[in-house]
Amino acid sequence: AQSVTQLDSQVPVFEEAPVELRCNYSSSVSVYLFWYVQYPNQGLQLLLKYLSGSTLVKGINGFEAEFNKSQTSFHLRKPSVHISDTAEYFCAVRRRALTFGSGTRLQVQP
Amino acid sequence: NAGVMQNPRHLVRRRGQEARLRCSPMKGHSHVYWYRQLPEEGLKFMVYLQKENIIDESGMPKERFSAEFPKEGPSILRIQQVVRGDSAAYFCASSSLGGLDETQYFGPGTRLLVL
Repeated sequence: AQSVTQLDSQVPVFEEAPVELRCNYSSSVSVYLFWYVQYPNQGLQLLLKYLSGSTLVKGINGFEAEFNKSQTSFHLRKPSVHISDTAEYFCAVRRRALTFGSGTRLQVQP
Repeated sequence: NAGVMQNPRHLVRRRGQEARLRCSPMKGHSHVYWYRQLPEEGLKFMVYLQKENIIDESGMPKERFSAEFPKEGPSILRIQQVVRGDSAAYFCASSSLGGLDETQYFGPGTRLLVL
C-alpha cells in the first residue's frame, strides 16, 4: 500500500519570499514521485517528477524538489514566489495510477 | 496538438438521474485514467482503461458507476441514480503507453452537482 501526506493544508507567504511545501510518502516498494499544480477551476499540470538518478529535480516555473529516501520525503521548493504561483499543489506517488496527497493551498500575498 | 478534452465542464443533475461524463484523450494516447476530487480533498483514483479494456477498477464504487473506452470515440464515465455525495469534480488523464514513468496529462475536469 502507498500513501502520501502533505503536512500543510495552507501556506501563506509574501511575494518574493521563499517557500517549501512538504510531502512525505509511504510505500513498500520503489515509487515514482510527482508534483502537480492546480489553478482554480482547472485541471492538474505537471510541475516536476522524480523517476531515478539525481535527487534534486528541477521543474517548470522555477520550482524544484528534493527526493530524500531515508526520510521518505519529496518537498517542493521555490526561492522566490510570485502572485501567479497562488494555486493548489499536489504531491503524488505512482505505481499504476497516481495516489495524491490532500493538497497544499499556496497563498502568495503582495 | 489538443490536450485532454472533457465535456461537459459543468453538469447539474437531480437525485436519481444519470450522469455521463466524456473524456477525449490527447492524440496518440490510448491509456485513460479517471479520478474524482471531492471538495477540499485531493484526487482519488477510480479506474484505468485502455482501448476496449478495463485494466484497473480498484477505485470505482461497486454500484452505480461504470466506465468504458470504446475502440472509437471518447471514454465515458457513467453514474447511474446519482446521489448528493456524487457531487465532485471528475478528472480524466491520459498517457501514451501507460508506463509508470510516463506523465499523465489531465483534462480540465467535469464538475458534477447533484441537487
